[in-house]
Amino acid sequence: QVQLQQSGPGLVKVSQTLSLTCDISGDSVSSNTAGWNWIRQSPSRGLEWLGRTYYRSKWYSDYAVSVRSRITINPDTSKNQLSLQLNSVTPEDTAVYYCAKSETGGKFDPWGQGTLVTVSS
Amino acid sequence: DIQMTQSPSSLSASVGDRVTFTCRASQSISTSLHWYQQKPGKAPNLLIYAASSLQSGVPSRFSGSGSGTDFTLTISSLQPEDFATYYCQQGYSLPRTFGQGTKVEIK
Repeated sequence: QVQLQQSGPGLVKVSQTLSLTCDISGDSVSSNTAGWNWIRQSPSRGLEWLGRTYYRSKWYSDYAVSVRSRITINPDTSKNQLSLQLNSVTPEDTAVYYCAKSETGGKFDPWGQGTLVTVSS
Repeated sequence: DIQMTQSPSSLSASVGDRVTFTCRASQSISTSLHWYQQKPGKAPNLLIYAASSLQSGVPSRFSGSGSGTDFTLTISSLQPEDFATYYCQQGYSLPRTFGQGTKVEIK
């Protein structure tokens, strides 16, 4: 049974970097069939897919256009975890952030428990 | 980007009711459509994948149908634990996109 456990600060200052990690148990971040995603949810933007990383003989990443210039999603194979870094945050980045596994067909299951990140000055 | 539109945005229903709500994609997505249930303070939970396949552990009162651009989620007999918000999501292309949700409330 795959489980995802998120960690990271819940408060980030404007213009700084949001950093979250997602510990994976029951699967490998290097799986050849899975993708590892970050998704956020806010009242104004709803559920918004931010990006993913996946391994298919080498590492690939895809990002949403809305955050492409500010986002990095990295795998850490030694810790079997996924990380998210979002630079130059503004109050509009305030949201609940989720990590989620994806497989064939693009369905997300399971999800991490979510982390509310508030961006303030 | 593929836009996903759900209707209605909310509905009121009673325990035992049959409820159906819809999701429409802005272009054809074949059957790459997934449904999630979300309760307050919790992550979304996968109910239906590939338009009509029931996720393991999900009660059989949930069913999905559709292909192309129009999809439906049906709850055959609403139970107290089903009062929640339901989202559709397309897995056809990047970026993955979600509908805005349908909130099911107690009448």
